Amino acid sequence: GAVVSQHPSRVICKSGTSVKIECRSLDFQATTMFWYRQFPKQSLMLMATSNEGSKATYEQGVEKDKFLINHASLTLSTLTVTSAHPEDSSFYICSARGGGNQETQYFGPGTRLLVL
Amino acid sequence: GNSVTQMEGPVTLSEEAFLTINCTYTATGYPSLFWYVQYPGEGLQLLLKATKADDKGSNKGFEATYRKETTSFHLEKGSVQVSDSAVYFCALKNTDKLIFGTGTRLQVFP
Repeated sequence: GAVVSQHPSRVICKSGTSVKIECRSLDFQATTMFWYRQFPKQSLMLMATSNEGSKATYEQGVEKDKFLINHASLTLSTLTVTSAHPEDSSFYICSARGGGNQETQYFGPGTRLLVL
Repeated sequence: GNSVTQMEGPVTLSEEAFLTINCTYTATGYPSLFWYVQYPGEGLQLLLKATKADDKGSNKGFEATYRKETTSFHLEKGSVQVSDSAVYFCALKNTDKLIFGTGTRLQVFP
């Protein structure tokens, strides 16, 4: 089946620094990518939806200047957490949709971010 | 609004036991319903889905029936295996967005 990778799988950074997370579709072209955030024992919460070549659409309450999303190619989307703070520590998951199947989202394994 | 509620885990079973993980939903309109599974170190994978009332989704011995009258989509398997140990997420899709439950961890022991 379709494979989506994320890098890094785990990152620790200092408060005030920026962190970039990559999401790649390895064997299909992802016309749409989604970014989710998951807190312990809580649901995956959709942060934003991005279509290749256009600006991301952010969910209510998600700061677009804080969480920069770039979907520059059909196989790569990046999420940059700018000026990270400890409350940004979380599990970030991406998913991708595309190819011949516009119904199914394929999920990456997630990136755990810890901000000290 | 739209929301999904599923039972808290972990659910701990012996191999070959019967599994039920409860899921109920609240939605406007007529959502599609899904179960996703996340094995350790991997991304969420679609396990099964149902798109309308009374549909039954099934895959790998797992089943779930879309019950509109009880707004439920409970996941069942007649005989679990150790390899079924994972986190299971119930989700609904309304318009273009997936809305997830909190996940239920299943641990199966030999």
